[in-house]
Amino acid sequence: AQSVTQLDSQVPVFEEAPVELRCNYSSSVSVYLFWYVQYPNQGLQLLLKYLSGSTLVESINGFEAEFNKSQTSFHLRKPSVHISDTAEYFCAVSDLEGQNFVFGPGTRLSVLP
Amino acid sequence: EAQVTQNPRYLITVTGKKLTVTCSQNMNHEYMSWYRQDPGLGLRQIYYSMNVEVTDKGDVPEGYKVSRKEKRNFPLILESPSPNQTSLYFCASSLSRLGLDEQYFGPGTRLTVT
Repeated sequence: AQSVTQLDSQVPVFEEAPVELRCNYSSSVSVYLFWYVQYPNQGLQLLLKYLSGSTLVESINGFEAEFNKSQTSFHLRKPSVHISDTAEYFCAVSDLEGQNFVFGPGTRLSVLP
Repeated sequence: EAQVTQNPRYLITVTGKKLTVTCSQNMNHEYMSWYRQDPGLGLRQIYYSMNVEVTDKGDVPEGYKVSRKEKRNFPLILESPSPNQTSLYFCASSLSRLGLDEQYFGPGTRLTVT
């Protein structure tokens, strides 16, 4: 079975500053990795995913995440955040067959003016 | 517009009064699931369905029932709600259960059981 750790429950950051949201996972098998975002009072939306190939994946709104197999990490980064990035971010992992899809506890990103 | 809808969005009820939360998707997805979201715990899967008439337990199924009589609908039933089922509930659907298929989430149902 897989598990996901997001060490930071809350991350406050000023507008235009860089941010990194940490995600570590545990699994005995190969996995797919995801970041989902939940804006206030909304459902979750897929932000980006790693399936195979290049270990660096990007989203359309400037976020990127890098899969590091040796450190079992999939940290999410953005070089310059906006107020509109304020949301809760969930890291998730799935085995390749989809038998076990697990969400992390979430990190609440607050972007301050 | 491709979407997952849930009703009601907000519900306050009393212990023991049966309730149903509906979920419907218009994307012809085979796979549907229910999650509950609690602070500090993330999302935990309650039940899932791989296709019509095929359902199975997730991580926290106690106190819940589901049915999948039609491909588009996947209602969540609480036969005798208790206060520990106060939570935010999300329905999700995807093309298949394969890990690479994106899950589409509904807007959520906030349930309070007093």
